Amino acid sequence: ETGVTQTPRHLVMGMTNKKSLKCEQHLGHNAMYWYKQSAKKPLELMFVYSLEERVENNSVPSRFSPECPNSSHLFLHLHTLQPEDSALYLCASSQAFRGDSNEQFFGPGTRLTVL
Amino acid sequence: TQLLEQSPQFLSIQEGENLTVYCNSSSVFSSLQWYRQEPGEGPVLLVTVVTGGEVKKLKRLTFQFGDARKDSSLHITAAQPGDTGLYLCADFYSSYKLIFGSGTRLLVRP
Repeated sequence: ETGVTQTPRHLVMGMTNKKSLKCEQHLGHNAMYWYKQSAKKPLELMFVYSLEERVENNSVPSRFSPECPNSSHLFLHLHTLQPEDSALYLCASSQAFRGDSNEQFFGPGTRLTVL
Repeated sequence: TQLLEQSPQFLSIQEGENLTVYCNSSSVFSSLQWYRQEPGEGPVLLVTVVTGGEVKKLKRLTFQFGDARKDSSLHITAAQPGDTGLYLCADFYSSYKLIFGSGTRLLVRP
């Protein structure tokens, strides 16, 4: 595997389910991100981890719970979601905070549908 | 809160045509980035521009940053079907934060 991978690619869940999204980066980066991309809004930053420590929680509801066990893996745990949470969830990684040259590399995303 | 407005929202053109898409910000950009997102994939960085008036070229793509650093344009010459995708501008305004525009969806018909 190369780059940033995400699993599953598609997920359908009911409002009472609990599920997790997984992201893995193979680039040797030490910062990881979760973004939400919905049809009616621009791409939104949700969470940022640098050196496995959460440095940003962008007013995200508590039904989304991130976990970063090491610099290569990032999870997004989901529970009691709402239909409006249906979106494409993108993971990204970068070298932590290198100023203007800090390029973020995105995974292909998980398409989530909440029924 | 900074707002990035992109226009047009949708563009459908014939292969070989030229096109320009625009990105305007409600405040001065810190560092402007352009991304392309192909169907079923995440965004991929095309270019970063920092200096007002800066022009960068990437093969058939020309990126221009406004002198006042509040607007930018992306011009594609002789578009090809492989250029199809969602073009996003973003402001990289801290060591890790990106604010994105809503994008221009481009379809290049063979």
